[in-house]
Amino acid sequence: KAGVTQTPRYLIKTRGQQVTLSCSPISGHRSVSWYQQTPGQGLQFLFEYFSETQRNKGNFPGRFSGRQFSNSRSEMNVSTLELGDSALYLCASSLSASVNEQFFGPGTRLTVL
Amino acid sequence: AQRVTQPEKLLSVFKGAPVELKCNYSYSGSPELFWYVQYSRQRLQLLLRHISRESIKGFTADLNKGETSFHLKKPFAQEEDSAMYYCALSPGDDKIIFGKGTRLHILP
Repeated sequence: KAGVTQTPRYLIKTRGQQVTLSCSPISGHRSVSWYQQTPGQGLQFLFEYFSETQRNKGNFPGRFSGRQFSNSRSEMNVSTLELGDSALYLCASSLSASVNEQFFGPGTRLTVL
Repeated sequence: AQRVTQPEKLLSVFKGAPVELKCNYSYSGSPELFWYVQYSRQRLQLLLRHISRESIKGFTADLNKGETSFHLKKPFAQEEDSAMYYCALSPGDDKIIFGKGTRLHILP
């Protein structure tokens, strides 16, 4: 089985721009979670989708949004980028509930200049 | 508030010595607890979960509800154990909260 894939792997944007990141879960997995990883804050939960519905959301501003498609692929969007949004964004998929074993993707490294 | 605390950012241990990575949590109910590991240049992956009560790669973790701890232990460290370790908690609402991680460095 192919693992979780994320595109693009690296991205450089400037302040004020918006960005869309993509995540393809393992085939058959219906839950997709997104995390922001930074050296200072570690891994912080952004949101989780299951069957195209957002089930949980972390404490991030409304500039961070996401969606899930019928094939379970998910996208994450960040609008009006700030310097502090520079981070590694990780996507994880699991069969059903996110408390099951999560399989992580390689991440998208976003740099905001 | 739900919180996971890993008090050590870096832990250096000699090969063959015992390892203990500390994890304390804050949650009033019965959480589900996990340890995830990230080896150099590899993806984050699940190491073990308390509900399984298993030993993976020689590591075990016992949930101590009285001390609200879930420390990760291994009796004899190996060089390949060098990695970043994250303790995580799920309060049961399909959300997972991670600690900030401890980098384990095994000295030869």
